Amino acid sequence: GAVVSQHPSRVICKSGTSVKIECRSLDFQATTMFWYRQFPKQSLMLMATSNEGSKATYEQGVEKDKFLINHASLTLSTLTVTSAHPEDSSFYICSASSPEGSSPLHFGNGTRLTVT
Amino acid sequence: GQNIDQPTEMTATEGAIVQINCTYQTSGFNGLFWYQQHAGEAPTFLSYNVLDGLEEKGRFSSFLSRSKGYSYLLLKELQMKDSASYLCAVRDSNYQLIWGAGTKLIIKP
Repeated sequence: GAVVSQHPSRVICKSGTSVKIECRSLDFQATTMFWYRQFPKQSLMLMATSNEGSKATYEQGVEKDKFLINHASLTLSTLTVTSAHPEDSSFYICSASSPEGSSPLHFGNGTRLTVT
Repeated sequence: GQNIDQPTEMTATEGAIVQINCTYQTSGFNGLFWYQQHAGEAPTFLSYNVLDGLEEKGRFSSFLSRSKGYSYLLLKELQMKDSASYLCAVRDSNYQLIWGAGTKLIIKP
């Protein structure tokens, strides 16, 4: 089945620094990737939709200058949390789907970000 | 607006059967998904329904009624490892996924 690889799985960084999270589709071409954030005991919150070769579409309330998304190829999308603050600490999950209509989203294993 | 409703939490006994309901109101419909999510992990795909009826996959089955905007996930022969959150998601007319808040399922021995 389709596999999505996300790296790193955990990261601890100091306030003010930037963190890059990578999301790769390993055995299919993902024209669209999605970035989610999930706070403890809450559901997934879509942050942005990333389309290969074009600008990402951000959900309302998500700062595009703070959460930089780059989808440079059909198999790689990156999310950079710039100038991270403790309130950015969360579980970030990427997902992708292959083009077929019935295909489900395949999720990466997530990245646990802790900003100290 | 668009919304998906599912119970916040359910408790069931090991070996029993549990049904998790999901009702939805969305702009169009292009399929309904069920995902399982263990604490601290990413969701994993369980099932997909786009036509009315029951889809069976091992111990898990999913049912859809489009006219009622209703689905359920049925888990049989419950095991302790089934303790997780179960997320219902609907793909709308724009192929956007609308997520429910998830149902936390607690399995007791």
